[in-house]
Amino acid sequence: KAGVTQTPRYLIKTRGQQVTLSCSPISGHRSVSWYQQTPGQGLQFLFEYFSETQRNKGNFPGRFSGRQFSNSRSEMNVSTLELGDSALYLCASRGTLNYEQYFGPGTRLTVT
Amino acid sequence: QKEVEQNSGPLSVPEGAIASLNCTYSDRGSQSFFWYRQYSGKSPELIMFIYSNGDKEDGRFTAQLNKASQYVSLLIRDSQPSDSATYLCAVNAIDRGSTLGRLYFGRGTQLTVWP
Repeated sequence: KAGVTQTPRYLIKTRGQQVTLSCSPISGHRSVSWYQQTPGQGLQFLFEYFSETQRNKGNFPGRFSGRQFSNSRSEMNVSTLELGDSALYLCASRGTLNYEQYFGPGTRLTVT
Repeated sequence: QKEVEQNSGPLSVPEGAIASLNCTYSDRGSQSFFWYRQYSGKSPELIMFIYSNGDKEDGRFTAQLNKASQYVSLLIRDSQPSDSATYLCAVNAIDRGSTLGRLYFGRGTQLTVWP
């Protein structure tokens, strides 16, 4: 079974721009969670989508948004990028019967 | 806010030793507990999960759970240099106002196994 995939793997943007990241979950998984990871803050939860609905949300500003499609693929958008948004963005998927969550390879975003 | 605390580290052990990684959590209702391994520059990889009190062994790894003490640990026997990584503890909990639980992660413990 194929794992979680994320595109793009690397991205360089300038302040003020916006960015969209994509995540395809493991086949059959309907839940997708997004995390931001930085050296100083560790793994920070952004939000979780299940069946196209946002079910959980972390403490991030409204510049961070997401959505999920009917095929469970998910996108995350960050508008008006700031230097502090430079991070590794990870998505993870899980099935409906348990909390076993599997991570994708991540998207490394650099904001200059 | 649910909390998951891990021993701060970094932890350094010689090759062949037992590495012990500890984690405590705040939500008494948590039922699912996970250990992830993250190599530098890579994404976290699920290596162990445990749902019941007691020990669960998988090769050189043993997860231990004590729900009464709200404590979960990971023991790595016969540690190898390839075990050098950051280990993340994760626990499920449900936020107030939400009907769907999610995983809460600790900050991680960096383990170095030296030859």
